[in-house]
Amino acid sequence: KAGVTQTPRYLIKTRGQQVTLSCSPISGHRSVSWYQQTPGQGLQFLFEYFSETQRNKGNFPGRFSGRQFSNSRSEMNVSTLELGDSALYLCASSLVGQGNYEQYFGPGTRLTVT
Amino acid sequence: AQSVTQPDIHITVSEGASLELRCNYSYGATPYLFWYVQSPGQGLQLLLKYFSGDTLVQGIKGFEAEFKRSQSSFNLRKPSVHWSDAAEYFCAVVSPLSGNTGKLIFGQGTTLQVKP
Repeated sequence: KAGVTQTPRYLIKTRGQQVTLSCSPISGHRSVSWYQQTPGQGLQFLFEYFSETQRNKGNFPGRFSGRQFSNSRSEMNVSTLELGDSALYLCASSLVGQGNYEQYFGPGTRLTVT
Repeated sequence: AQSVTQPDIHITVSEGASLELRCNYSYGATPYLFWYVQSPGQGLQLLLKYFSGDTLVQGIKGFEAEFKRSQSSFNLRKPSVHWSDAAEYFCAVVSPLSGNTGKLIFGQGTTLQVKP
């Protein structure tokens, strides 16, 4: 089975712009979670989508949003970018249910805001 | 609030030596527990997991971890470290409650350096 894929792998944006990141989960996985990784704050949960519904949300401003499509692919959007949004954004997919709760991560999207 | 603590930010061991990385969690109930490894510029790879049952779990790459409820710990071990094990290791927990299993809470990570 193919793993979790994320596109693009690298992005450079300017303050004030917006950005959309994409995540394709492992086939059959219905849950997609997003995380932000920075040297100062470590790995922080952004949100989780399950069956096209946001099921959990972390403590991030409303500039961070996401959605999930019927094929379980997910996108996250960051509007009005700030310098502090520079980070590695990781998505993870999970089968959920039947005792399967582990998350499998993609390689991440490295976002640099200048 | 739920939290995960990895007391050691950085650990250096000699190749062939044994390794133990510590992880303590604070949670209302016994959470599901995980160890992940991250190489530079890469995503996270799942090493092992604990949901219930036998408290000693085996993972990939020769790693094992032991869950100790009384100490709220889930320490990662390897009997003999290889140079390729140099990476950053993260302990993580997730609520076992239905609907909350998608929110991993991570420790700060432990960077492992392996001396030749």
